[in-house]
Formats: sequence, structure tokens, C-alpha cells
Amino acid sequence: EAGVTQFPSHSVIEKGQTVTLRCDPISGHDNLYWYRRVMGKEIKFLLHFVKESKQDESGMPNNRFLAERTGGTYSTLKVQPAELEDSGVYFCASSQATRRQTQYFGPGTRLLVL
Amino acid sequence: DQQVKQNSPSLSVQEGRISILNCDYTNSMFDYFLWYKKYPAEGPTFLISISSIKDKNEDGRFTVFLNKSAKHLSLHIVPSQPGDSAVYFCAASGGYQLTFGKGTKLSVIP
Repeated sequence: EAGVTQFPSHSVIEKGQTVTLRCDPISGHDNLYWYRRVMGKEIKFLLHFVKESKQDESGMPNNRFLAERTGGTYSTLKVQPAELEDSGVYFCASSQATRRQTQYFGPGTRLLVL
Repeated sequence: DQQVKQNSPSLSVQEGRISILNCDYTNSMFDYFLWYKKYPAEGPTFLISISSIKDKNEDGRFTVFLNKSAKHLSLHIVPSQPGDSAVYFCAASGGYQLTFGKGTKLSVIP
């Protein structure tokens, strides 16, 4: 069974540009989560989808971040326009409907905003 | 305000000995706890979890203990192996989202 995959693995952009991160969850996992780890800090929750619906986006830092999960499969996280403080590692995780609290993480996308 | 704390940034253990990683939490609404292992440039890998209705869960060399009254959990690795060298994160959940500690870097010395 394939794990959670994320694309790209790295992204270097300039301040003001737009970046779109993609996450493909484990097949059959209804729950999809985005987390972020800023340098030196703990991994923090951004938002949670159940299928295609946003269940909780309380961790999204501001309206420059937009997440979608069309069709309830893969998800994208767009940052527009990117700021320096958006640099960090963005992790995606997924979990089954019946074991929702056991989340499996992808390798992350390392974003650097210059 | 950190709700999950891992107060030891690092830990060194001899191969074959026991590794004990500790985690404290403050939120009484947390009812599920997990440990993740992370290698550099990789995502966290799920290791073991425990529900608040239990006080111990074991999986091979890994055992997690939960002390609800003290709001404390620990991960025991016995025996420790060099491949266990990684950063270990404690995480807690009261619903869907996970709240993480800052991690403890474990070094197992051959």
C-alpha cells in the first residue's frame, strides 16, 4: 500500500510569488490534514478535510493560504502571495474514518521564501 | 502556550540499553496519544499509540505508558538499537487534530 505522497519535495520562491503544494493521501483515507513546521518550532496543525469538506481550518495562519480537496482525493495548499515567514516544512497526513486519530504523514514539502 | 512538552531536547543511550523518552501534557481534553519517529528530511513515522482508557500499550521493543493523573506519558525502547537514532515526537489528540511536542533527539551509541 502506497503511503502519503507530497509534491514538490522542495520549493524555493521569492516573496510575493505563488506556490501550490500537493498531497495524495493513502487510498481510502477520508481524513486529510495539513501541518507545518517552522524552523525550531513544533509541528502545528493547519487544517482538516473529511472527504472534500473542510472540517476544521482553525490553524490556517491567514487568508493567503487556500486549501482544496476536490473530489475527496488529493489536496492542494496554495500560498498567495508568499511571505518570508511562510518558510518551513509543510506536512500532509491522512487517516481512516474508523481510526481517525492515527495519522500517517507524508515526507513533507520544504518551502523557502526568499 | 505549549500543551504538549518534551523537556529533554536530546538523549544518548548505549546500544542494548533501555531508552526512556518523556512527554507531559496540560490539556485534560486529550484522550489519545501517539509517538512518532522522524529521520532528517523525512516525515514523521507512526510508532505506537495509547488511548486514555489504558495505561500501557506494547508493540515489540516499544512500550508506551500513560499516567493520566500526572498528565505524563513515556516511551520505552528495549533494547535500543543504532537504527533507533532519530527525533521522537509525542503527539496528543482530543478530536482530530494532533498537538505535537518539540521532539527529543535520541542517539543510540554502538
